[in-house]
Formats: sequence, structure tokens, C-alpha cells
Amino acid sequence: NAGVTQTPKFQVLKTGQSMTLQCAQDMNHNSMYWYRQDPGMGLRLIYYSASEGTTDKGEVPNGYNVSRLNKREFSLRLESAAPSQTSVYFCASSEAGTLTYGYTFGSGTRLTVV
Amino acid sequence: AQSVTQLGSHVSVSEGALVLLRCNYSSSVPPYLFWYVQYPNQGLQLLLKYTSAATLVKGINGFEAEFKKSETSFHLTKPSAHMSDAAEYFCAVGERGGFKTIFGAGTRLFVKA
Repeated sequence: NAGVTQTPKFQVLKTGQSMTLQCAQDMNHNSMYWYRQDPGMGLRLIYYSASEGTTDKGEVPNGYNVSRLNKREFSLRLESAAPSQTSVYFCASSEAGTLTYGYTFGSGTRLTVV
Repeated sequence: AQSVTQLGSHVSVSEGALVLLRCNYSSSVPPYLFWYVQYPNQGLQLLLKYTSAATLVKGINGFEAEFKKSETSFHLTKPSAHMSDAAEYFCAVGERGGFKTIFGAGTRLFVKA
């Protein structure tokens, strides 16, 4: 039972480059999320998908786009990377419409933009 | 709007001592409350959750938390710290009936031998 799988685990980008972070879950969860983690700031929500076919902005969506490819997969795209996007990115999933079970997190992608 | 405040970015205890990590929340409706733990270079793991049943919630690894509505608090405790408890702990509040969770800034727990 893999849970939530994120790829890649590490990435270094030059300013202006683009890349897509991949996330897949095998728990049949309806809702998926992308967070970024920065020192002293906890986790901040970038985008989420309440269910297949829907996406919504979170607290810090600027500079990012997302795609809910199917029920299992939710990708995060940086179109033109900036140093301010250096962070650790976490994907998470949960049961639809309720948070009673909390989130299941992936192991993260550590992104450095130089 | 919901928010979470964790008091103390770093807490240090001796092995065998009481662990107390403080969390206060703000929410206009009864919230869901969570504690997550993050070990180095790993994702977050759910430690325990409050969803309006018992106000004293027991989680994994001997941790527990008490929901106090009058104090808008959800502090995390463990009677006796173990070296393996060294990690970062996040308090979080979720939207009842919604989809989003707001996380606190985190408290790093150090355990001294």
C-alpha cells in the first residue's frame, strides 16, 4: 500500500525554467492538495482539488498551476520558476467532503531555484 | 477565517520528562483539530484528531490532546518523552464540512538524554 507518491524527490531549476511535480494516490481518495513548507511558516495551501474535475486556489497560488488528471493523480506546474519558489512541496489526499480522517501526505519534493 | 497559533518554535525536554506542546486556534464554527508529526526528511503523519466526540483524544506513540473550547486550545501532551519523539509537530484546524486545513508554524521538539 503505497499511499501518496510524489516525484521527483529533489530538483534544482534555473530561474525561468518550468517543471511539473507529480503526485499519485492509491487510496481512492476524492480530495487532493498541494502545500509548500517553508521554515517558520508551517504549510501553506497552494491549490486543492475537492473532487475529480475540480480545482481551487489556496492561500498562495501565484506562479503555479494544477491539473487533476484523474482521480488518482494531481500535478503541480511551475511555468517560470523564481527563487521565491524554493521550498519543500507536499502533496496530500483525504476523504471527500470531510476532514474526519485527516490528510495522508507524500514524502515531499525539495525544490531549489537558482 | 480560521487560524492556528503554536506557542514556541522550539521546545526542549529531558528524556522521561513531560512533553507539552501548545496550540491555540481561531474558528467561527466548531472545528476539526489535528496534530501531525514530521520526522526529518519525511512527510507529515497524523498523530491524532478531534472531531467533536470525546474532548480528550488519544493518538499514536502515547500522545494525547485535550480540546478546551473555553480556552480555544488543543495542547499536545505525553507523560514521558523518549528520544524517538524528537521531531517537528504541527497543529492544524480544518473546515467542518469543507476541504481545507490550516497549519500552524510548527514546534520542533528536542529530547535530551
